[in-house]
Amino acid sequence: QSALTQPASASGSPGQSITISCTGTSSDVGSYNYVSWYQQHPGEAPKLMIYDVSKRPSGVSNRFSGSKSGNTASLTISGLQAEDEADYYCSSYTSSSTLVFGGGTKLTVL
Amino acid sequence: QVQLVESGGGVVQPGRSLSLSCAASGFTFSRQGMHWVRQAPGKGLEWVAVIWYDGSKKYYVDSVKGRFTISRDNSKNTLSLQMNGLTAEDTAVYYCARDSSYGAARIDHWGQGTLVTVSS
Repeated sequence: QSALTQPASASGSPGQSITISCTGTSSDVGSYNYVSWYQQHPGEAPKLMIYDVSKRPSGVSNRFSGSKSGNTASLTISGLQAEDEADYYCSSYTSSSTLVFGGGTKLTVL
Repeated sequence: QVQLVESGGGVVQPGRSLSLSCAASGFTFSRQGMHWVRQAPGKGLEWVAVIWYDGSKKYYVDSVKGRFTISRDNSKNTLSLQMNGLTAEDTAVYYCARDSSYGAARIDHWGQGTLVTVSS
């Protein structure tokens, strides 16, 4: 039950694109298309941004997209905006029928 | 709309017990898997436990196995977490969360959380 690996921090200027990686193993990310991404602003509950690797819930901006290759999933945010500054977490279903989260990435919009 | 409201948090001494509850509304509770996820102060999210839609399967993170018990009452739309043998490492905001499937696949809605502080 080791956490998925994410970079601790990321940054970009308004209008730029940024990609956050999430590396797991063949027991989670590599074997299932149940990778989700969550956005969390300070003091708030997480919000689902991407599910099943690349699907967007209703109401989430199309500036957010997801992908996966092997054991690594990625979240890309295009056209960065100040409101995108937040913590981002990935999660995956695992072979033990559980979920596992990444350590989180703090995104700073410069 | 989906609403998840946690209750039961507070300050508890090490070694004692605490029970959390989550009142669900706005969806058919008995059709969805439900999770508890926690977040220690200033730290990341940690998945804690899941219970299948009918209560038939329950899974836990290793650090709480044998100490925490997840349960649900589909007649009352309520999710619970019984926490025994609490330690300082259990101090966190505990979130109740809904899975969009009958078991564990993806969390799509979260409550606002309830803070549990384990301290003497």
